[in-house]
Amino acid sequence: EDKVVQSPLSLVVHEGDTVTLNCSYEVTNFRSLLWYKQEKKAPTFLFMLTSSGIEKKSGRLSSILDKKELFSILNITATQTGDSAIYLCAVRDGSSNTGKLIFGQGTTLQVKP
Amino acid sequence: DAGITQSPRHKVTETGTPVTLRCHQTENHRYMYWYRQDPGHGLRLIHYSYGVKDTDKGEVSDGYSVSRSKTEDFLLTLESATSSQTSVYFCAIRPSSGSTYEQYFGPGTRLTVT
Repeated sequence: EDKVVQSPLSLVVHEGDTVTLNCSYEVTNFRSLLWYKQEKKAPTFLFMLTSSGIEKKSGRLSSILDKKELFSILNITATQTGDSAIYLCAVRDGSSNTGKLIFGQGTTLQVKP
Repeated sequence: DAGITQSPRHKVTETGTPVTLRCHQTENHRYMYWYRQDPGHGLRLIHYSYGVKDTDKGEVSDGYSVSRSKTEDFLLTLESATSSQTSVYFCAIRPSSGSTYEQYFGPGTRLTVT
């Protein structure tokens, strides 16, 4: 059975800290891995990764994929209270062309002032 | 903003009653999805659609049905709501243009079944 597992499930840090969120997967027909940020509303898209070793970066957030070891990490540097959210990892299942995503449980990040 | 709206945004209903949630999009996207979100489970796919009248089941489809009679509307129906269907329901679209596969989500519907 395909699955996506995120760790840790929750994390509390202070402003200015750097955090690393993990996402591991076992998906037979892997095509890409996506990261989303969810505040008190709908998830918003952050990154999509398809190739190993190529870092995607947006401001203080960056992510990288390792297709050999089947995991991805999301790094957030110099955290701010506005980074508090649930971070969701999803893998696109390539067994059909419908673009189905398999989500992990999410990591809840709380950044304290 | 992917032009997605969901209605109602909040609903409280009783066990055994039928409930229909609506997802509406304005940008003519072919692919639409319904998810539910529960603590500890992330987002789980209920049903999806790849065109008018073309739908298929996701991983947690039991107790749910869908219909798509127009491109812009994707309806999710709980024929006889149960307390286990208390959840937040998100609709998503996948843009039709280009080869990207990211999905964009609507604002969600919080459903409580008492």
